Amino acid sequence: AQSVTQLGSHVSVSEGALVLLRCNYSSSVPPYLFWYVQYPNQGLQLLLKYTSAATLVKGINGFEAEFKKSETSFHLTKPSAHMSDAAEYFCAVSRAAAGNKLTFGGGTRVLVKP
Amino acid sequence: ETGVTQSPTHLIKTRGQQVTLRCSSQSGHNTVSWYQQALGQGPQFIFQYYREEENGRGNFPPRFSGLQFPNYSSELNVNALELDDSALYLCASSSGDRGTSYEQYFGPGTRLTVT
Repeated sequence: AQSVTQLGSHVSVSEGALVLLRCNYSSSVPPYLFWYVQYPNQGLQLLLKYTSAATLVKGINGFEAEFKKSETSFHLTKPSAHMSDAAEYFCAVSRAAAGNKLTFGGGTRVLVKP
Repeated sequence: ETGVTQSPTHLIKTRGQQVTLRCSSQSGHNTVSWYQQALGQGPQFIFQYYREEENGRGNFPPRFSGLQFPNYSSELNVNALELDDSALYLCASSSGDRGTSYEQYFGPGTRLTVT
């Protein structure tokens, strides 16, 4: 069975400050890992994915995430927050053998202060 | 290239009724997955269809059922609606052999309210 834990349901950052969203996973097999963003009243947009290639993954909108197997973590960062980053972020895990059904964490809502 | 579309956008139903939600997959995609996102929570996997056959199911009761059509569009049917079925229902499409492509593209969702 797979599971995802996102630490902190809400994160508040100042515009221009570092954004750090934490994600820990459990999986009995090497996982595929994803970060999705959801803006109000919209579906999910893929930010980035880890699929067993490079451990440091760069995504859209300046986000990146690092896969750390020893820590079972896949934290999302952005060096400088922008007002448009205000949204909800979801970490998810899947495995190819299961047809890549996604297991999501509970989400972290990001508030950006001017 | 047309993305994933879902209809209707919003829906209000009464407890005990039945509802059908629709999803058109992205062009070239043969796999559709459905997720339920309750308010304030992450999406939960309901089931997946690959080439018109069910290819895995999450922890949802049998009153949640689905179909995939030859053009790979899909329906989610929920019978005997309960108040807890109120949620955003998301459809995602992908391609590959039995859905092994890890790139899933989500639609905007259908907001279902059960009163």
